[in-house]
Amino acid sequence: AQRVTQPEKLLSVFKGAPVELKCNYSYSGSPELFWYVQYSRQRLQLLLRHISRESIKGFTADLNKGETSFHLKKPFAQEEDSAMYYCALSGGLIQGAQKLVFGQGTRLTINP
Amino acid sequence: KAGVTQTPRYLIKTRGQQVTLSCSPISGHRSVSWYQQTPGQGLQFLFEYFSETQRNKGNFPGRFSGRQFSNSRSEMNVSTLELGDSALYLCASSWASNTEAFFGQGTRLTVV
Repeated sequence: AQRVTQPEKLLSVFKGAPVELKCNYSYSGSPELFWYVQYSRQRLQLLLRHISRESIKGFTADLNKGETSFHLKKPFAQEEDSAMYYCALSGGLIQGAQKLVFGQGTRLTINP
Repeated sequence: KAGVTQTPRYLIKTRGQQVTLSCSPISGHRSVSWYQQTPGQGLQFLFEYFSETQRNKGNFPGRFSGRQFSNSRSEMNVSTLELGDSALYLCASSWASNTEAFFGQGTRLTVV
C-alpha cells in the first residue's frame, strides 16, 4: 500500500536553528517524492521534488531508499518558514504522476 | 497569468442533496486533479482528468464523479450528500502528466 508518514504534527524551533521535518513512505516501486508547503492564507504549493535535486528557499531533501525517507532540512530557520508542510509521493508516469498521496502534514513554527 | 480558480469558495448543502463544484485550470494546462481535505483523513486523491478522459481514480464511492470539458475546465459532482462529505475540495492543474501541479484555493463544502 502507498503511504506517507509525517510523525510530527507540530514542530517549533527558534530562528537561526536547524530544521528537519521527517517523512517516511511505503511504496512498492520507484515513487517520486515531493514537499508541498502552505503558508498562512495561501494556496498549497510545491516546494521541491526529489528528481530536481534543487535547493529552494534554503531547503533540501534527500531521498533515502534504504530507509524509505525523504526528510526536509534547512540549516538556519527563518521566521517566514512558518507554515504547514506536506510530504507527498506519486507513482510517476507509469502509475499516475498526478495521483499524489499526502502525509498528514507538519505545522512548523519558527520562534523569534 | 491567472492561477487555478475554484468556484464557489463556500457552499452549504443539506444531507441527501447533490452538489457540483467547478475548477478552471491555468491556461494551457490539460491535467486537472481533485482532492478532498478533512481534519481526520488529510488530503486524499479523488480523480484526475486529462484531455477530457479520467486517467486515475481514488478510493471514493460512486457518488463522487467528475468530468472535464474541451477547454480543460473540470467539474466534480457529489450526489446524495452525507455529513461526512463536509470537507475542503481542492483542484490542481498541470501542463502535462509529470509536471508541477498548481493548486486552487479550494471549495469549502459543509453538509448539514
